[in-house]
Amino acid sequence: QVQLVESGGGVVQPGSSLRLSCAASGFSFSTYGMQWVRQAPGKGLEWVAVISFDGNTQFYADSVKGRFTISRDNSKSTLFLQANSLRAEDTAVYYCAKETIEKISGWFYDCWGQGTLVTVSS
Amino acid sequence: EIVMTQSPATLSVSPGERATLSCRASQSVSTKLAWYQQKPGQAPRLLIYGASTRATGIPARFSGSGSGTEFTLSISSLQSEDFAVYYCQQYNNWPPVTFGPGTKVEIK
Repeated sequence: QVQLVESGGGVVQPGSSLRLSCAASGFSFSTYGMQWVRQAPGKGLEWVAVISFDGNTQFYADSVKGRFTISRDNSKSTLFLQANSLRAEDTAVYYCAKETIEKISGWFYDCWGQGTLVTVSS
Repeated sequence: EIVMTQSPATLSVSPGERATLSCRASQSVSTKLAWYQQKPGQAPRLLIYGASTRATGIPARFSGSGSGTEFTLSISSLQSEDFAVYYCQQYNNWPPVTFGPGTKVEIK
């Protein structure tokens, strides 16, 4: 079955960096766009970044632009989010999510991981 | 950026009753509107896309309607497992993809 498993979260100090990973299985990873969506404690969903199926195109939310980088390794069916210069307001559960339609990006997501918690605190 | 709003923030409904949730976009998103359900401690689950198409495995008691700026998610007869938070999301004009703030459906 389709599965996404995030890892890499933790407690870090402001200004630090983290690399989140999302291991995909059960589908043809290289033919689907992927996203990161985050959810601050007790809050709603916030889209963070999207990457095209081939990795050639990325877009970011203004709140993370210049600090976060989304990437993928299709040979290993893994999605990444490099988060630099972390701030307290980046504290959230980070979900990776799979597009529903092949070779489309930024639409709607039919599979989500369980999330990984990033806490930015001094 | 398209701003999504949802009403009400909280909806109290008895099991077996109908629930109607609203979502509004700050400008037209055509029918590029999705609905998600999220239960505590779980990831969101896709319910509806294209404003009215149920995702795979979603029960028929869930239905979506609307176009342009006004959308509705209806749950015809609430089951115990339907008490959750529901989010709408537009994908017509991005980046950014934007979500509504959510409607919590709670037991009356």
